[in-house]
Amino acid sequence: EDQVTQSPEALRLQEGESSSLNCSYTVSGLRGLFWYRQDPGKGPEFLFTLYSAGEEKEKERLKATLTKKESFLHITAPKPEDSATYLCAVQAPMYSGGGADGLTFGKGTHLIIQP
Amino acid sequence: DSGVTQTPKHLITATGQRVTLRCSPRSGDLSVYWYQQSLDQGLQFLIQYYNGEERAKGNILERFSAQQFPDLHSELNLSSLELGDSALYFCASSVAGNQPQHFGDGTRLSIL
Repeated sequence: EDQVTQSPEALRLQEGESSSLNCSYTVSGLRGLFWYRQDPGKGPEFLFTLYSAGEEKEKERLKATLTKKESFLHITAPKPEDSATYLCAVQAPMYSGGGADGLTFGKGTHLIIQP
Repeated sequence: DSGVTQTPKHLITATGQRVTLRCSPRSGDLSVYWYQQSLDQGLQFLIQYYNGEERAKGNILERFSAQQFPDLHSELNLSSLELGDSALYFCASSVAGNQPQHFGDGTRLSIL
């Protein structure tokens, strides 16, 4: 069974204090790893897709990296508007059948950036 | 704005009742997905439709069903509702199976 574990569950940072969020996964043959941001009362907002180990993607103050066992979301010099819950999700290979296109999500990291 | 529209935003009903949630995908997206988000379980995949056909099933209860219509909008039907069905229900859409899924803002279902 595919599993996704995110840590920490919650993180409070000062504005400008860089940090990293972790996403550990177990899936037989990763088809894609996705990062989303979710604000209260809203649906998850797509940030990045990573397909293979060694891949990196960047967007403003966020950078996502991928290894064979985990992904990191690095936040550089965060601002209060970066406060949100960050969700990691994996997609299994097509041959696994069942919910192959459906995403398996971690429980998220609740990030608070204090001014 | 993701381009995915869900209605209604809120739904309050009683145990034993049946409700229908509606989703319009982003223009051009053929795949529609339904997810349930609860505090204890997190986001869980329920079911996927692709161009009108059921494509994949996840942790969907037998009391729940879905369909996708020729205009590609989708409906999730929940019947014989129980207190534990109270949750946020999200719809997402994508161009293809391994492409990013874009989520609507959900329907909050409360069972009294």
